[in-house]
Amino acid sequence: AQRVTQPEKLLSVFKGAPVELKCNYSYSGSPELFWYVQYSRQRLQLLLRHISRESIKGFTADLNKGETSFHLKKPFAQEEDSAMYYCALSGQGTTDSWGKLQFGAGTQVVVTP
Amino acid sequence: DVKVTQSSRYLVKRTGEKVFLECVQDMDHENMFWYRQDPGLGLRLIYFSYDVKMKEKGDIPEGYSVSREKKERFSLILESASTNQTSMYLCASSLRGGRAYEQYFGPGTRLTVT
Repeated sequence: AQRVTQPEKLLSVFKGAPVELKCNYSYSGSPELFWYVQYSRQRLQLLLRHISRESIKGFTADLNKGETSFHLKKPFAQEEDSAMYYCALSGQGTTDSWGKLQFGAGTQVVVTP
Repeated sequence: DVKVTQSSRYLVKRTGEKVFLECVQDMDHENMFWYRQDPGLGLRLIYFSYDVKMKEKGDIPEGYSVSREKKERFSLILESASTNQTSMYLCASSLRGGRAYEQYFGPGTRLTVT
């Protein structure tokens, strides 16, 4: 069974400090991993995906298959980063999981000035 | 720009009522999804549909049913609402053959069952 674990419900950081959101997963095959973000009163939206290896809004995430982790990092947090962040997984190559996402419990990030 | 709309932003219903949550997308997407979003539990898939009149159970279908009579509309039905169905409900849509991350989400309906 596939599962996504986000151990932190709440992360409170000061502006300018580094922030790291943890995500661990379990999946028997080769998954695709994503980070989604939901700002206050806005829709859930894709932040980044591991395949693209890009930095979005200063955030990066590296897939570590050995540790089955996909942690989200930003070196200098900004107040506008305050939001709910979800790690999500999609299986590849199986009709059962195609097109579907498995979400973690979410981490609320609060950046204080 | 993909538009996924949900019929109500806030809804208050009484225990035992039949509740309909409507979702409409205007991008001709084949796939549509219903999730519920709860603090500490994240998003959990209730049902999804990959074509008109087709549906498949997600992780937590108990107490819910769905209807997809037209491609653009996907309805979530609570046959007899209960207080443990108080939650935020999110609808999403995507193209058939599209990648999983290409789901576009609606604004959500916050349902309170009293």
